[in-house]
Amino acid sequence: GENVEQHPSTLSVQEGDSAVIKCTYSDSASNYFPWYKQELGKGPQLIIDIRSNVGEKKDQRIAVTLNKTAKHFSLHITETQPEDSAVYFCAAKRTGANNLFFGTGTRLTVIP
Amino acid sequence: NAGVMQNPRHLVRRRGQEARLRCSPMKGHSHVYWYRQLPEEGLKFMVYLQKENIIDESGMPKERFSAEFPKEGPSILRIQQVVRGDSAAYFCASSAEAPGRTGELFFGEGSRLTVL
Repeated sequence: GENVEQHPSTLSVQEGDSAVIKCTYSDSASNYFPWYKQELGKGPQLIIDIRSNVGEKKDQRIAVTLNKTAKHFSLHITETQPEDSAVYFCAAKRTGANNLFFGTGTRLTVIP
Repeated sequence: NAGVMQNPRHLVRRRGQEARLRCSPMKGHSHVYWYRQLPEEGLKFMVYLQKENIIDESGMPKERFSAEFPKEGPSILRIQQVVRGDSAAYFCASSAEAPGRTGELFFGEGSRLTVL
């Protein structure tokens, strides 16, 4: 089955700096890669996703890149703000599969 | 437009008791998924249901756990004879289309089970 690894497990950045979270996956058939933000005591919320037919996608301060050959994808947050502090999860899924495989999460702290 | 609704948000049970967790999907969504999250870990898939049918229960423990999504009412995840290792956050998600189409899931806020 799929195995998704995520690094780093914790990340602290100064407000205004950029944050990068990286994930690798094992199943070359995976073709959908969402990123979720989970705030304390809440459920995961989808913030951005990318499909394997594109290499990069951007939404305001958030961008995701995908390298299919190397089987890794990354989340980039620019101009970080304190409200970006949360746990971020990457996930992977292949066509026809019923479930997402999640990474173990990155706890991002943005220091004001 | 209400999101995915889960209750109870917190549940405490003693070893050997039963836990019932309920999930109402987003309006118009007929695909429901249950995931379990252990402390400091990612979410792990348990089961995928459509109305009145279990489609995929490959992530569900073979014993003590069951799920249903009746024609009327919420989806229910039932854990019988709970043990301390069942303590976790259980998240329900729903989607408008089958997982083979878009894959986008909307999660509820979770039910946190504590087994004493």
